[in-house]
Amino acid sequence: EVQLLDSGGDLVQPGGSLRLTCAASGFTFRNYAMSWVRQGPGKGLEWVSVISGRDFVTHYADSVKGRFTISRDDSQNTLFLQMDSLRAEDTAVYYCVKEVSAVKSGTGDNWGQGTLVTVSS
Amino acid sequence: DVVMTQSPLSLSVTLGQPASISCKSSQSLVYRDGNIYLNWFHQRPGQSPRRLIYMIFNRDSGVPDRFSGSGSGTDFTLKISRVEAEDVGVYYCMQGTHWPFTSGPGTKVDIK
Repeated sequence: EVQLLDSGGDLVQPGGSLRLTCAASGFTFRNYAMSWVRQGPGKGLEWVSVISGRDFVTHYADSVKGRFTISRDDSQNTLFLQMDSLRAEDTAVYYCVKEVSAVKSGTGDNWGQGTLVTVSS
Repeated sequence: DVVMTQSPLSLSVTLGQPASISCKSSQSLVYRDGNIYLNWFHQRPGQSPRRLIYMIFNRDSGVPDRFSGSGSGTDFTLKISRVEAEDVGVYYCMQGTHWPFTSGPGTKVDIK
């Protein structure tokens, strides 16, 4: 059974940093692209960043480009999202999402439980 | 960015009755491999989204056959043949063809 355990969310001041972690199990992690998707209060789903399997190609939404960094440690079956220069508009629940192949993202077949990031002074 | 619109935004349905949600994209969703990455997700209150339908009409494992997806071009539809109590929540269509991937605003379904 696929399991994705998100963690690292917290209350942080504007301009601060956080590192989100997703511990994956139940599948061969290195063979799949992974994504971070966020959902602001009362809002839809925003694909924030993706990282492919095998060659680690990354993509970022314009809203986070230059501030967020996605990475993965295939030896530990773990996905990360380093979030710097946080803004109030980054407040959201962040979900770790498994994709259906190493290269094609935007498929989202399994989701973590989410971790809440609140940016406020 | 591709804009995804949904209608209605809210739907109140009698148990056992059908429901239908429309989703439109601002441009074609055909990917370079020829597939259309149009997904439907269901989110119950306080839970993570769960994918129901992928590539327009394919049901995920464990999804009841009362759920069906259809469409082509830029117009897509999710239908529930007979609404059950567990179907309440918000339904999102989402395109996974063009980066950044985008979703509709959601359609909230409740029981009348």
